[in-house]
Amino acid sequence: AQKITQTQPGMFVQEKEAVTLDCTYDTSDPSYGLFWYKQPSSGEMIFLIYQGSYDQQNATEGRYSLNFQKARKSANLVISASQLGDSAMYFCAMRDGANNLFFGTGTRLTVIP
Amino acid sequence: AAGVIQSPRHLIKEKRETATLKCYPIPRHDTVYWYQQGPGQDPQFLISFYEKMQSDKGSIPDRFSAQQFSDYHSELNMSSLELGDSALYFCASSRQAGGLGELFFGEGSRLTVL
Repeated sequence: AQKITQTQPGMFVQEKEAVTLDCTYDTSDPSYGLFWYKQPSSGEMIFLIYQGSYDQQNATEGRYSLNFQKARKSANLVISASQLGDSAMYFCAMRDGANNLFFGTGTRLTVIP
Repeated sequence: AAGVIQSPRHLIKEKRETATLKCYPIPRHDTVYWYQQGPGQDPQFLISFYEKMQSDKGSIPDRFSAQQFSDYHSELNMSSLELGDSALYFCASSRQAGGLGELFFGEGSRLTVL
């Protein structure tokens, strides 16, 4: 069964605007972690933000914030003030209580000047 | 800050040859994961190690093996290489003692099998 679902294969955003990348997950574990990674065309996997299942507040890291809605099992990534360098593939991932890491199929973000 | 180091960054091999990829985790990280990402695909979990013991196994072919050494670095050994093994291989590390915390990836090793 799909553990991580990213329903947006591609997204476009105007430079300096905010964009939300969707991610829903499926787990019955009470303890899990949610991650977002950026993968530019060069191929490396860059860690952006982490949210633990027990964290009360939404995670924020600079221009990145994670909109964590536990009851809906969603962990959307919000990028504010988009920059041209934000154009990349974005992966949502979940680590479950058994330490398995599941990736979504990714969303390709294109920032338009 | 020190990151996850992978070597080599690029590797070209021929079919039926053997390849070894190395991963040096972030200092004090005790868990290492290996992932394989084919062209246009999301990363697929291969295998993981915690405190030098295999902790979980994913879709790793029998032709592949891996281990984690006393200094926590890990090596992925791939034998009888096939064309389909051409991919980007990622190593990631984390510190389990802190619970389900942040997971950092290396820059990947790109293997091309001719």
